[in-house]
Amino acid sequence: DAKTTQPTSMDCAEGRAANLPCNHSTISGNEYVYWYRQIHSQGPQYIIHGLKNNETNEMASLIITEDRKSSTLILPHATLRDTAVYYCIVRNNDYKLSFGAGTTVTVRA
Amino acid sequence: DARVTQTPRHKVTEMGQEVTMRCQPILGHNTVFWYRQTMMQGLELLAYFRNRAPLDDSGMPKDRFSAEMPDATLATLKIQPSEPRDSAVYFCASGPTGMNTEAFFGQGTRLTVV
Repeated sequence: DAKTTQPTSMDCAEGRAANLPCNHSTISGNEYVYWYRQIHSQGPQYIIHGLKNNETNEMASLIITEDRKSSTLILPHATLRDTAVYYCIVRNNDYKLSFGAGTTVTVRA
Repeated sequence: DARVTQTPRHKVTEMGQEVTMRCQPILGHNTVFWYRQTMMQGLELLAYFRNRAPLDDSGMPKDRFSAEMPDATLATLKIQPSEPRDSAVYFCASGPTGMNTEAFFGQGTRLTVV
């Protein structure tokens, strides 16, 4: 599986956009980028995924660079409930979802 | 509201006892994953199934762990005999086939082996 690199932690002010970076320089052409988050004591929650194009849903936006070696998850208006560990995952054709350490995001009032 | 259901939510057992954790995947989902989460190791993929057949269980300790899908509505993870180092939260997830599909997680079973 292609490896991902994320910052260990980041803080964000409530109401501001949170931009979470992820590097995946060894990604292959048919591998998708997935983002999940895990709020304390809960199961991981799907956020968004993409292949090449930027994606947006009701939770977040995903910006993938043209060379696909990195991506950014954007939470447009962070709330206290967005405090969680965010995981960037590269998924290949064996369908596995392999989680790394993720980024611990703390949203502060 | 479709969701993955895991039972029990909490389990405390004595070392050496058999433990069975159950998962009901979302109806229609044919891919099922089992994960284990500890503070030290994070989220580890133990095994996953497609159409009830195991595709990869390389993450699972073979001597004491076993995973099965008796039917499409039930996945089980058994530990026999259990050891204190098996204490963790075990998550099940299900999804449809394909790389372009999301997997949904259950709330987990918190296992404590004393």
